[in-house]
Amino acid sequence: EVQLVQSGVEVKKAGESLKISCKGSGYSFTTYWIGWVRQMPGKGLEWMGIIYPGDSDSRYSPSFQGQVTISADKSVSTAYLQWSSLKASDTAMYYCARLKTNPGAAFDIWGQGTMVTVSS
Amino acid sequence: QSALTQPASVSGSPGQSITISCTGTSSDVGTYNLASWYQQHPGKAPKLMIYEIYKRPSGVSNRFSGSKSGNTASLTISGLQAEDEADYYCCSYAGIGTFGVFGGGTKLTVL
Repeated sequence: EVQLVQSGVEVKKAGESLKISCKGSGYSFTTYWIGWVRQMPGKGLEWMGIIYPGDSDSRYSPSFQGQVTISADKSVSTAYLQWSSLKASDTAMYYCARLKTNPGAAFDIWGQGTMVTVSS
Repeated sequence: QSALTQPASVSGSPGQSITISCTGTSSDVGTYNLASWYQQHPGKAPKLMIYEIYKRPSGVSNRFSGSKSGNTASLTISGLQAEDEADYYCCSYAGIGTFGVFGGGTKLTVL
Protein backbone atom coordinates (compact mmCIF):
# COMPACT_ATOMS: atom_id res chain seq x y z
CA GLU A 1 0.00 0.00 0.00
CA VAL A 2 1.27 3.43 -0.96
CA GLN A 3 1.27 5.67 2.09
CA LEU A 4 2.83 8.65 3.80
CA VAL A 5 3.08 8.54 7.58
CA GLN A 6 3.78 11.76 9.44
CA SER A 7 5.28 12.38 12.86
CA GLY A 8 3.07 13.15 15.83
CA VAL A 9 1.60 16.19 17.54
CA GLU A 10 4.03 18.94 18.52
CA VAL A 11 3.58 21.57 21.24
CA LYS A 12 6.32 24.19 21.28
CA LYS A 13 7.10 27.68 22.49
CA ALA A 14 7.76 30.68 20.28
CA GLY A 15 11.42 30.93 19.36
CA GLU A 16 12.04 27.18 19.51
CA SER A 17 13.11 25.11 16.54
CA LEU A 18 11.18 22.17 15.11
CA LYS A 19 11.52 19.47 12.45
CA ILE A 20 8.56 17.29 11.48
CA SER A 21 8.75 14.26 9.24
CA CYS A 22 6.91 12.36 6.54
CA LYS A 23 7.90 8.77 5.74
CA GLY A 24 6.92 7.23 2.43
CA SER A 25 6.38 3.55 1.75
CA GLY A 26 4.95 1.27 -0.90
CA TYR A 27 6.48 3.15 -3.84
CA SER A 28 9.80 4.45 -5.16
CA PHE A 29 10.34 7.37 -2.77
CA THR A 30 13.15 8.92 -4.81
CA THR A 31 11.15 9.33 -8.03
CA TYR A 32 8.16 11.37 -6.82
CA TRP A 33 8.07 14.97 -5.61
CA ILE A 34 6.80 15.44 -2.04
CA GLY A 35 5.06 18.63 -0.99
CA TRP A 36 3.98 20.32 2.23
CA VAL A 37 0.61 22.00 2.74
CA ARG A 38 -0.42 24.21 5.68
CA GLN A 39 -3.91 24.45 7.13
CA MET A 40 -4.33 27.01 9.89
CA PRO A 41 -7.16 26.39 12.37
CA GLY A 42 -10.52 26.78 10.63
CA LYS A 43 -8.87 27.93 7.41
CA GLY A 44 -8.07 26.64 3.95
CA LEU A 45 -5.15 24.82 2.39
CA GLU A 46 -1.92 26.63 1.51
CA TRP A 47 0.78 25.33 -0.85
CA MET A 48 4.14 25.66 0.91
CA GLY A 49 6.79 23.93 -1.15
CA ILE A 50 8.04 20.69 -2.65
CA ILE A 51 11.15 18.54 -2.80
CA TYR A 52 12.43 15.83 -5.12
CA PRO A 53 14.01 13.24 -2.81
CA GLY A 54 16.15 11.82 -5.62
CA ASP A 55 18.41 14.88 -5.65
CA SER A 56 16.90 17.10 -2.91
CA ASP A 57 15.88 19.78 -5.44
CA SER A 58 13.43 21.98 -3.53
CA ARG A 59 11.02 24.74 -4.57
CA TYR A 60 9.10 27.12 -2.33
CA SER A 61 5.99 29.24 -2.65
CA PRO A 62 6.99 32.91 -2.30
CA SER A 63 4.87 33.12 0.87
CA PHE A 64 6.99 30.48 2.59
CA GLN A 65 10.43 31.10 1.08
CA GLY A 66 12.83 31.83 3.93
CA GLN A 67 10.26 30.90 6.57
CA VAL A 68 10.72 27.13 6.50
CA THR A 69 13.19 24.58 5.14
CA ILE A 70 12.18 21.45 3.28
CA SER A 71 14.63 18.57 3.14
CA ALA A 72 14.71 14.83 2.50
CA ASP A 73 16.77 11.79 3.42
CA LYS A 74 16.31 9.19 0.72
CA SER A 75 18.13 6.54 2.75
CA VAL A 76 15.15 6.42 5.11
CA SER A 77 12.48 7.51 2.60
CA THR A 78 11.61 10.55 4.69
CA ALA A 79 10.91 14.19 3.93
CA TYR A 80 11.13 16.95 6.52
CA LEU A 81 9.73 20.39 7.22
CA GLN A 82 11.64 22.52 9.68
CA TRP A 83 11.58 25.87 11.40
CA SER A 84 14.55 27.58 13.06
CA SER A 85 12.46 29.92 15.21
CA LEU A 86 8.76 29.22 15.58
CA LYS A 87 6.10 31.92 15.83
CA ALA A 88 2.60 31.66 17.28
CA SER A 89 1.31 32.17 13.73
CA ASP A 90 2.92 28.84 12.74
CA THR A 91 0.19 27.05 14.70
CA ALA A 92 -1.47 24.83 12.12
CA MET A 93 -1.96 21.36 10.72
CA TYR A 94 0.77 20.46 8.28
CA TYR A 95 0.21 17.82 5.61
CA CYS A 96 2.77 16.17 3.39
CA ALA A 97 1.55 14.85 0.07
CA ARG A 98 2.99 13.14 -3.00
CA LEU A 99 2.82 14.78 -6.42
CA LYS A 100 1.50 12.48 -9.17
CA THR A 101 4.25 13.42 -11.59
CA ASN A 102 5.99 16.78 -12.05
CA PRO A 103 5.97 19.96 -9.90
CA GLY A 104 2.74 21.12 -11.53
CA ALA A 105 0.85 17.94 -10.86
CA ALA A 106 -1.82 17.12 -8.33
CA PHE A 107 -1.20 15.69 -4.86
CA ASP A 108 -2.42 12.09 -5.10
CA ILE A 109 -1.36 10.61 -1.75
CA TRP A 110 -1.62 12.51 1.53
CA GLY A 111 -0.19 11.96 4.98
CA GLN A 112 -2.45 12.05 8.01
CA GLY A 113 -1.21 15.48 9.08
CA THR A 114 0.93 16.80 11.94
CA MET A 115 -0.63 19.33 14.30
CA VAL A 116 1.82 21.98 15.47
CA THR A 117 0.83 24.28 18.32
CA VAL A 118 3.09 27.20 19.21
CA SER A 119 2.48 29.22 22.36
CA SER A 120 3.74 32.78 22.69
CA GLN B 1 0.17 35.03 -5.45
CA SER B 2 -3.52 35.35 -4.48
CA ALA B 3 -5.56 32.29 -3.76
CA LEU B 4 -7.96 31.07 -6.40
CA THR B 5 -11.54 32.27 -5.83
CA GLN B 6 -14.22 29.78 -4.79
CA PRO B 7 -17.72 30.37 -3.38
CA ALA B 8 -17.70 30.02 0.38
CA SER B 9 -20.62 27.62 0.38
CA VAL B 10 -22.98 25.70 -1.86
CA SER B 11 -25.86 23.40 -1.04
CA GLY B 12 -28.10 20.88 -2.70
CA SER B 13 -30.60 18.15 -1.95
CA PRO B 14 -29.87 14.44 -2.32
CA GLY B 15 -30.00 13.41 -5.94
CA GLN B 16 -29.46 16.90 -7.28
CA SER B 17 -26.35 18.23 -9.05
CA ILE B 18 -24.16 21.10 -7.91
CA THR B 19 -21.22 22.92 -9.46
CA ILE B 20 -18.38 24.63 -7.63
CA SER B 21 -16.40 27.25 -9.51
CA CYS B 22 -12.72 28.10 -9.11
CA THR B 23 -11.64 31.37 -10.70
CA GLY B 24 -8.02 32.19 -11.26
CA THR B 25 -6.10 34.24 -13.78
CA SER B 26 -4.24 33.86 -17.05
CA SER B 27 -1.16 33.09 -14.91
CA ASP B 28 -2.59 29.90 -13.45
CA VAL B 29 -5.93 28.27 -14.34
CA GLY B 30 -6.13 30.01 -17.69
CA THR B 31 -2.73 28.88 -18.93
CA TYR B 32 -2.22 25.43 -17.46
CA ASN B 33 -4.52 22.40 -17.74
CA LEU B 34 -3.42 21.34 -14.28
CA ALA B 35 -6.35 22.25 -12.05
CA SER B 36 -7.17 19.67 -9.40
CA TRP B 37 -9.89 19.25 -6.78
CA TYR B 38 -9.73 17.89 -3.25
CA GLN B 39 -12.41 16.75 -0.84
CA GLN B 40 -11.84 17.20 2.89
CA HIS B 41 -14.11 15.84 5.58
CA PRO B 42 -13.83 17.35 9.09
CA GLY B 43 -10.71 16.20 10.90
CA LYS B 44 -9.45 14.27 7.88
CA ALA B 45 -6.71 14.75 5.32
CA PRO B 46 -7.70 16.02 1.88
CA LYS B 47 -8.44 13.47 -0.86
CA LEU B 48 -7.77 13.97 -4.56
CA MET B 49 -11.01 13.87 -6.57
CA ILE B 50 -10.10 15.38 -9.96
CA TYR B 51 -6.75 16.16 -11.60
CA GLU B 52 -5.69 17.79 -14.87
CA ILE B 53 -9.09 19.47 -15.19
CA TYR B 54 -11.28 16.38 -15.68
CA LYS B 55 -9.39 13.16 -14.88
CA ARG B 56 -10.60 10.96 -12.01
CA PRO B 57 -8.21 8.89 -9.88
CA SER B 58 -9.01 5.21 -9.57
CA GLY B 59 -11.75 4.67 -7.01
CA VAL B 60 -13.37 8.10 -7.29
CA SER B 61 -17.03 7.96 -8.22
CA ASN B 62 -17.99 9.03 -11.75
CA ARG B 63 -20.53 11.35 -10.10
CA PHE B 64 -17.58 13.75 -9.82
CA SER B 65 -16.54 15.57 -12.98
CA GLY B 66 -14.38 18.56 -13.86
CA SER B 67 -14.18 21.14 -16.61
CA LYS B 68 -12.54 24.45 -17.48
CA SER B 69 -13.51 27.55 -19.39
CA GLY B 70 -11.05 30.41 -19.65
CA ASN B 71 -9.69 31.26 -16.22
CA THR B 72 -12.34 29.23 -14.37
CA ALA B 73 -12.26 25.55 -13.45
CA SER B 74 -15.38 23.81 -12.21
CA LEU B 75 -16.26 20.72 -10.22
CA THR B 76 -19.66 19.15 -10.73
CA ILE B 77 -21.13 16.56 -8.40
CA SER B 78 -24.18 14.76 -9.72
CA GLY B 79 -26.60 12.60 -7.79
CA LEU B 80 -25.68 14.27 -4.49
CA GLN B 81 -25.33 11.94 -1.51
CA ALA B 82 -25.07 12.70 2.17
CA GLU B 83 -21.45 11.50 2.19
CA ASP B 84 -20.52 14.25 -0.30
CA GLU B 85 -20.97 16.86 2.43
CA ALA B 86 -17.44 18.20 2.93
CA ASP B 87 -15.10 21.05 2.10
CA TYR B 88 -13.80 21.19 -1.48
CA TYR B 89 -10.61 22.89 -2.60
CA CYS B 90 -9.32 23.60 -6.06
CA CYS B 91 -5.63 23.93 -6.85
CA SER B 92 -3.67 25.01 -9.91
CA TYR B 93 -0.10 25.20 -11.08
CA ALA B 94 0.94 28.86 -11.39
CA GLY B 95 4.27 28.59 -13.15
CA ILE B 96 7.89 28.59 -12.09
CA GLY B 97 8.41 30.86 -9.10
CA THR B 98 4.96 30.40 -7.60
CA PHE B 99 4.31 26.73 -8.38
CA GLY B 100 1.01 25.83 -6.70
CA VAL B 101 -1.95 27.84 -5.43
CA PHE B 102 -5.13 26.64 -3.70
CA GLY B 103 -8.59 28.13 -3.68
CA GLY B 104 -10.12 29.33 -0.44
CA GLY B 105 -12.39 26.30 -0.19
CA THR B 106 -16.12 25.68 -0.55
CA LYS B 107 -18.31 24.09 2.08
CA LEU B 108 -20.86 21.76 0.49
CA THR B 109 -24.01 21.12 2.50
CA VAL B 110 -26.34 18.31 1.50
CA LEU B 111 -29.78 19.38 2.68
